[in-house]
This record gives sequence, C-alpha cells and structure tokens, in this order.
Amino acid sequence: GAVVSQHPSWVICKSGTSVKIECRSLDFQATTMFWYRQFPKQSLMLMATSNEGSKATYEQGVEKDKFLINHASLTLSTLTVTSAHPEDSSFYICSARVGEGYNEQFFGPGTRLTVL
Amino acid sequence: KQEVTQIPAALSVPEGENLVLNCSFTDSAIYNLQWFRQDPGKGLTSLLLIQSSQREQTSGRLNASLDKSSGRSTLYIAASQPGDSATYLCAVDAGNMLTFGGGTRLMVKP
Repeated sequence: GAVVSQHPSWVICKSGTSVKIECRSLDFQATTMFWYRQFPKQSLMLMATSNEGSKATYEQGVEKDKFLINHASLTLSTLTVTSAHPEDSSFYICSARVGEGYNEQFFGPGTRLTVL
Repeated sequence: KQEVTQIPAALSVPEGENLVLNCSFTDSAIYNLQWFRQDPGKGLTSLLLIQSSQREQTSGRLNASLDKSSGRSTLYIAASQPGDSATYLCAVDAGNMLTFGGGTRLMVKP
C-alpha cells in the first residue's frame, strides 16, 4: 500500500523558535498533500491543502504566516511552525492523495510538537 | 459546511461482545467515507473505505455500512477483543477535503 512518512516523529523546542516538519510519500507521487492538527482528546482539524508547485490553501482561522507550507516536489511537503509558542503544541499529521481527483488519502504517522 | 458526528463518544464493553459505532454527516454529497483507528499518541490506521456508490465494506471482523441518503454510517465490530481498544474515527470526503468526526473511544475489557 501507499506509505507516507513524517520527520521528525517528535520535537521539543523553546518558545520563539521555528520548527520544520517533513512529509514524504515514499512509493507514489502525491499531487496533493494535506496538513492536519490534533489537540489532545480532539479530532483532526484540516489546516491546509498543499498542491505541488503552487501556494497552499489554508482553512479559516489558520495563520498562513505562522504555518508555512512548501510543496516543492511530488513526494515532499514541509510545514514550518514559525515563532512557536506553547499553544502551538499539538500533534501534526500529514496525508497525501494519490493522483488526481478524489482518491483515498494516505496518512503519515504524525509529529508530536511540544513548545516549552 | 459538512459536519460529522460520532456516537457514542466513549464505549466500554466486555471482551467478546459485538458492537456498533455510529457516524452521521450533514451533507450527503460525498465521494466516500472512511473509518480509521487511532491508538493513543499514534497516527491513523485506515480500516475501511466505502465509496459513495457502495453500501458496505467488510474486512475480517469489521463491517462498515453507508446510507448516503440518510447521512449515516455504522462500523460493526464482531467478537471484540482487548486489542480493539482504541479511538475510532470516521471521515467523509466531499472531494477536496476530509471532515472528521469527534471519534469514539472504545475500551474492551478482558
């Protein structure tokens, strides 16, 4: 099956620093990648949709200047949390869609971010 | 705006019981519905995906049904085991994004 990886799996950083999270599709080319955030005991909330070679589309309430998304190739998307604060501590999960249209999304294992 | 609701929010059952998890959604214009399992602190494991044209899907002890017109799906787990303990999430795909329900936290007691 299609495999999506994320790196790092967990990260602890100081308030005010920036953190980059990578999402890779390992055995397929992903035209579209998605970034989700999940707070403790809550469900996943879509943050943004990322298409290769174009600007990401952010959901309402998500600050695009704070959560920088780059989708430079068909197998890699990155999420950079800039000037991180403790309230940004969360579980970040990416997914990738195979090909065009409305096919299944495959999810990465997630990245646990803790901002001190 | 699509809204997805899962009932119950939490469920505790003794081992061996058959159980049903419910998922409802407000907009029936969906392409597919997917059930996931999430263990604490972990990512999502896809269990079953039902296309909008399908009525059900089965995998082992799991059976998921979809009634698109009424905006409902159920996940049936037969002969539950302690290893089934996890949070179960349903998500509907309207074509450009997945909308997740709040999840059902399942505990199967030995």
